[in-house]
Amino acid sequence: AQSVTQLGSHVSVSEGALVLLRCNYSSSVPPYLFWYVQYPNQGLQLLLKYTTGATLVKGINGFEAEFKKSETSFHLTKPSAHMSDAAEYFCAASWTSGSRLTFGEGTQLTVNP
Amino acid sequence: DAGVIQSPRHEVTEMGQEVTLRCKPISGHNSLFWYRQTMMRGLELLIYFNNNVPIDDSGMPEDRFSAKMPNASFSTLKIQPSEPRDSAVYFCASRTTGNYGYTFGSGTRLTVV
Repeated sequence: AQSVTQLGSHVSVSEGALVLLRCNYSSSVPPYLFWYVQYPNQGLQLLLKYTTGATLVKGINGFEAEFKKSETSFHLTKPSAHMSDAAEYFCAASWTSGSRLTFGEGTQLTVNP
Repeated sequence: DAGVIQSPRHEVTEMGQEVTLRCKPISGHNSLFWYRQTMMRGLELLIYFNNNVPIDDSGMPEDRFSAKMPNASFSTLKIQPSEPRDSAVYFCASRTTGNYGYTFGSGTRLTVV
């Protein structure tokens, strides 16, 4: 079955440090890929998405992700973490038009002062 | 655009009572999804609709759960009778054809005592 795996349920970084959240998908067919962020007591908000075209995708709040077909990955990065980035991050994929998104388990990001 | 609107934001009810959660998708979106989020199980897809028709309800945990979408602008998720283990945050999300990302509502936090 097609699935999305997020390595690390918890990631902790210092303020100003690089943020790297890992996401891999299990399929030889490249999907459409998404990152969502969930702040406490809120719904999920779309950070960025890859559908076609440029493999480096820029999103809101300084985040970006790169689609690497050879590695079946779509890791999320931000050069310098801010305290306000503390949240849970979900990677998701969709393989066909009209099909539902498959979500990863989520990664809780903690930013230490 | 008001986004996906869910009501109520919070619901506290006694075990055995009927609970109805409501969702208004974004106008023009033709797919609607109901999710449940708990600490133990994470984000679970309960049911989704395309053009008001239920497509996959395999995530609905029991017969106590039912969902309807009588028209393109309204959906309900009903739990009857409710049990303490139903306590969770319930999210509604919608999507338009060709746009594979979802827009989530703010959720309903349900507490069954």
